[in-house]
Amino acid sequence: GDSVTQMEGPVTLSEEAFLTINCTYTATGYPSLFWYVQYPGEGLQLLLKATKADDKGSNKGFEATYRKETTSFHLEKGSVQVSDSAVYFCALIPSNDYKLSFGAGTTVTVRA
Amino acid sequence: NAGVTQTPKFRILKIGQSMTLQCTQDMNHNYMYWYRQDPGMGLKLIYYSVGAGITDKGEVPNGYNVSRSTTEDFPLRLELAAPSQTSVYFCASSYSGRTGANVLTFGAGSRLTVL
Repeated sequence: GDSVTQMEGPVTLSEEAFLTINCTYTATGYPSLFWYVQYPGEGLQLLLKATKADDKGSNKGFEATYRKETTSFHLEKGSVQVSDSAVYFCALIPSNDYKLSFGAGTTVTVRA
Repeated sequence: NAGVTQTPKFRILKIGQSMTLQCTQDMNHNYMYWYRQDPGMGLKLIYYSVGAGITDKGEVPNGYNVSRSTTEDFPLRLELAAPSQTSVYFCASSYSGRTGANVLTFGAGSRLTVL
């Protein structure tokens, strides 16, 4: 079935560093792709999404581009803050479904 | 606006006990879901519902039951708790089932330990 694979963590960065979290997917057709974020002690919330090839999702300084040719949806942020410390989940919805499938999650810690 | 509310936040069970995790949403969402989150494993779908009176199994339904008598409520029942059910449980809801438009709203989670 359709699935996502994301880079393992944990990732530790200094404030203002560049962040990349890799995510690749396996799917038939054209899935929709998502990044969800889980801050400490909270539930998941949508960070950004892209529904077709070459779409770029962006929010809170984070960006991810839907790359059909490399089946990827890597998350990037140019300058992280301590408040970006969280667990980040890549996820997809298959083209013929509506249920989300999640990657394993990547824990990011940003130090001042 | 409360969104998705889960209770309890924490619970410790003994092996063989039963309990119900409560989930309520006030957004008039038709679709509701239960996930479990295990370290390094992401979230796995347990059960889901597309409307009152309709439920279906997800990836990991064994040992659980659900009901959906109203649009707002989607309780998850654990019968005969086992250590393998130690996890964090998340309830979620969404308005639309349309691919790409299906953005989920999550509750804060319920941490369950079975000893």
